[in-house]
Amino acid sequence: GIQVEQSPPDLILQEGANSTLRCNFSDSVNNLQWFHQNPWGQLINLFYIPSGTKQNGRLSATTVATERYSLLYISSSQTTDSGVYFCAVERVLTGGGNKLTFGTGTQLKVEL
Amino acid sequence: DSGVTQTPKHLITATGQRVTLRCSPRSGDLSVYWYQQSLDQGLQFLIQYYNGEERAKGNILERFSAQQFPDLHSELNLSSLELGDSALYFCASSRTSGRSRVHEQYFGPGTRLTVT
Repeated sequence: GIQVEQSPPDLILQEGANSTLRCNFSDSVNNLQWFHQNPWGQLINLFYIPSGTKQNGRLSATTVATERYSLLYISSSQTTDSGVYFCAVERVLTGGGNKLTFGTGTQLKVEL
Repeated sequence: DSGVTQTPKHLITATGQRVTLRCSPRSGDLSVYWYQQSLDQGLQFLIQYYNGEERAKGNILERFSAQQFPDLHSELNLSSLELGDSALYFCASSRTSGRSRVHEQYFGPGTRLTVT
């Protein structure tokens, strides 16, 4: 099956710093999503971005589908950005179904 | 709030028991997915239903089963529970039928299952 790798696995930032998280995937995909899992375990949708660039406030994402990677940018980080960031890719399966395959995540801690 | 609801939020049960987790998708979504998040396996896809029919199956154990009802809510049944089944179980929904383009998946808050 498709492999999804995220880097770095862990990241500690001072409040106000910027960061870039990377997601590499091993095959062509129909969809790519970024999620933030907060300390309470909730998975929050950040971006639906199979290709191109999107921005939402301090966050932005870019997916280069032809080169099989996506980047998540966090600017002016805040303590509330702490948590785990997951990249997940999706393909239509042979039998007609579909599923998300998740990376192992980047654990982010933002300190004062 | 994603619009996907799951009950219960927490469940504590003993080995060998059976439990049922419930999920209501977002209004208008016909696809429901179940995922398991454990410390050693990460986030893994279990099964997908579309409008009442099973569409895709992942690494779902034979002791686990699911169904989607005519009102589109779904239930995940876990039986003969083992300690290793302790995990966070997520339900997600989307407009995707799976046959062509795919749409964004939205996740519920999860059910945290503890098997003692």
